[in-house]
Parts: sequence; structure tokens; C-alpha cells
Amino acid sequence: KAGVTQTPRYLIKTRGQQVTLSCSPISGHRSVSWYQQTPGQGLQFLFEYFSETQRNKGNFPGRFSGRQFSNSRSEMNVSTLELGDSALYLCASSLVTSGGAGAGELFFGEGSRLTVL
Amino acid sequence: GENVEQHPSTLSVQEGDSAVIKCTYSDSASNYFPWYKQELGKGPQLIIDIRSNVGEKKDQRIAVTLNKTAKHFSLHITETQPEDSAVYFCASFTGNQFYFGTGTSLTVIP
Repeated sequence: KAGVTQTPRYLIKTRGQQVTLSCSPISGHRSVSWYQQTPGQGLQFLFEYFSETQRNKGNFPGRFSGRQFSNSRSEMNVSTLELGDSALYLCASSLVTSGGAGAGELFFGEGSRLTVL
Repeated sequence: GENVEQHPSTLSVQEGDSAVIKCTYSDSASNYFPWYKQELGKGPQLIIDIRSNVGEKKDQRIAVTLNKTAKHFSLHITETQPEDSAVYFCASFTGNQFYFGTGTSLTVIP
């Protein structure tokens, strides 16, 4: 069974630009969540999608947005990039039910490393 | 909101020794506590988890303990091996969201 696939793996942008990251979850997983990982800050929750609906959102500015498609693939977008947005962005899929976000194992991709110059 | 604190941030042990990583949480409604291991260049991977109705769980060389009264949980790795070297994250689940600690970089010295 294929794991969670994130593209691109590495990218470099300049301040003010925007970026779109893609995530393909494990087949059958309908929940996709996104995390920002920076040194010393651990993993910060961005948002979670289930069946194309955003169910939960972390404490990030509106420049961070996402969406989920009918095949459960997800994208996140960051507009007007700032230097502080440089980070590893991790996507995780989960086999949770429709009854709520649920507490189950997260399966992470290898991440997209964004560098903002 | 929930606050998860993790200590130590770095830990070095000799091969064969034990390693202990501790986490505290603030929200008494948290009910699920997983531990993830992240190797260099890879995404985190679940190694063990515990739910709030259990005090201890063990899986071979790895164990997790939970003290709900004190709101802390710990990861114990016995007989450490070089392949245990990685960054370990604790997490809690509450309010339909996971909250992660800041990570512990474990180095096992051969």
C-alpha cells in the first residue's frame, strides 16, 4: 500500500510570492491534516479536511489556506510569503470516521521543505 | 488551549542504556497520547500510544506511562540501539486536534 505522498519535496520562493503544496493520502483515508514543522517549535497544526470539508483549523493567519478534492487529495496554499514561513510542511492522513476528527494514528508524508528568501 | 511541554530537548545515552522522555499537558479533557519517531529526512511515524483509561502500555523495548492526575506521560526506551537515534515527539489529542511537543533529539552512542 502506497504511503502519503507530498509534492514538491523542496522549493525555494521569495518574499511576497505564493506557493501551493500537494498531498496524496493513503488510499481509503478520508482525513487529511497539515502541520508546519520548524526547529524548536515542533509540529504546529494548520488544518484538517474530511470529505472535502475543513473540520478544524489551527491558529495561523488567513494567508494559509487549503482544500480537499473528491479523491481525498489535498492542497495547501500560502500567499504573500514571509521569511518566517520557511519550514517543513507535513501532511498526514488518517482512517477516521465521519463522526468527528477522532483520535487515531496519523500517517505522515516526508514533507515539503519550503525556503523563503 | 492545550499546551504540551516536552523534556529534554536533547538526550545522549550509551548503547544498551535506557532513555526516558517526559511530557506534560494542560487540558484535562485530553484523552489520547501518541508518541512519534522522526528519522532524518522522513515524516514522523507512530511508535506507541496510550489512551486515558490506561496507565501503562508496553511494546517490546518501548513503554509509555500516563499519570492523569499529574497530567504527564513518559516514553521509556530500554536497551537502546543506534537505530533508536531520532527525534521523538509526544502529542495529546483534545478538541478534535492534536497538540505536539517540541521534540527530543535522542542520540545513542555505540
